[in-house]
Amino acid sequence: DIQMTQSPSTLSASVGDRVTITCRASQSISSWLAWYQQKPGKAPKLLIYKASSLESGVPSRFSGSGSGTEFTLTISSLQPDDFATYYCQRYNSFPYTFGQGTKLEIK
Amino acid sequence: EVQLLESGGGLVQPGGSLRLSCAASGFTLSTSAMSWVRQAPGKGLEWVSGISVGDGSTYYADSVKGRFTIARDNSKNTLYLQMNSLRAEDTAVYYCAKDLKAFDPWGQGTLVTVSS
Repeated sequence: DIQMTQSPSTLSASVGDRVTITCRASQSISSWLAWYQQKPGKAPKLLIYKASSLESGVPSRFSGSGSGTEFTLTISSLQPDDFATYYCQRYNSFPYTFGQGTKLEIK
Repeated sequence: EVQLLESGGGLVQPGGSLRLSCAASGFTLSTSAMSWVRQAPGKGLEWVSGISVGDGSTYYADSVKGRFTIARDNSKNTLYLQMNSLRAEDTAVYYCAKDLKAFDPWGQGTLVTVSS
């Protein structure tokens, strides 16, 4: 099965910072990658699909890039509401796989 | 508005069974692929099972293969996850999700606790 590795596991940052989270696939998944945001006690929320397509209603400070095996999620200017856990997910073929998550904390 | 509402979670003994339901509204379940995803306490997300649109092919994670069964009742617009031979490691919040452009939306989740 294709494994997804996210880094870092934890990221400390301040409001206004630009942050990047990386997700690597163990083999090529073309652009079949999604990013989700999850807050404690809540269901995940889709942010990015097809590696770089912004879901409707998601602020434009979120962006995704990459293809093949390496992908990034960038938040251009952190807002207080952005402190949460972020997951990548491949969905090119079953079994779908999630990354282990990146917890974005306030510095 | 597209919505998903899970139910059926609870406390079950090891070796027991439980059936989760996911009621869909705002769209026709038979026209969408669907998945179940779980999250153990304090852990990350784990894809559990999926069902495709059309022929309804089903897929499972190795961790649940042979024990869990995904199905849908188009007349009730409801997705199910039948869970048998439950183990302590199956304890988690279980979410259903619509699989179109990745997973969106998700239900609110239902907690399954496997413990004696």
